[in-house]
Amino acid sequence: AQTVTQSQPEMSVQEAETVTLSCTYDTSESDYYLFWYKQPPSRQMILVIRQEAYKQQNATENRFSVNFQKAAKSFSLKISDSQLGDAAMYFCAYRRGGNQFYFGTGTSLTVIP
Amino acid sequence: DVKVTQSSRYLVKRTGEKVFLECVQDMDHENMFWYRQDPGLGLRLIYFSYDVKMKEKGDIPEGYSVSREKKERFSLILESASTNQTSMYLCASTLGASGSSYEQFFGPGTRLTVL
Repeated sequence: AQTVTQSQPEMSVQEAETVTLSCTYDTSESDYYLFWYKQPPSRQMILVIRQEAYKQQNATENRFSVNFQKAAKSFSLKISDSQLGDAAMYFCAYRRGGNQFYFGTGTSLTVIP
Repeated sequence: DVKVTQSSRYLVKRTGEKVFLECVQDMDHENMFWYRQDPGLGLRLIYFSYDVKMKEKGDIPEGYSVSREKKERFSLILESASTNQTSMYLCASTLGASGSSYEQFFGPGTRLTVL
């Protein structure tokens, strides 16, 4: 079974500061895809960023970037210039060949004004 | 934009009742999924469907069944609801192309309470 581990159940960050959320995964595959999703309180889950395993370059989307370490099976999310609207539950997810996605247990991010 | 809708945001049912959770997507996605979300456990896959009338069990299918008679609609059925099925249920869809980088699009969720 594939496993995705998020070891930080809760994190907090001061507004305008930078925070990094950790994610590790277990796989024997070489081709796969990794995602970070954001679930704001009482709102729909949305995609934040994705990374293709065959790409060495780390993905970035505005203030969001990842640190993808394929050999270490690590996929962390960095949020720069944190804003109050970044407060949410963040889920790391993995998809290999096939239709199934595997999710971590989530990290609850609090942004302190 | 892809829109995934779920029939109810909140639902309260009695133990033993048959419960239907409906999910509709409007972007012609081949794949649809049902998850349950519980604190500390993340999202766990119940069932998914990769085509009309096709389904596959996920990690926790016990106590649930699904139906996909039309491409846009995927229903989750609790044949006899139990209190341990109290949870948040999330529906998601994605384009086909198995193993692709396409992400899942999620519905708003149904918070089901079984009394």
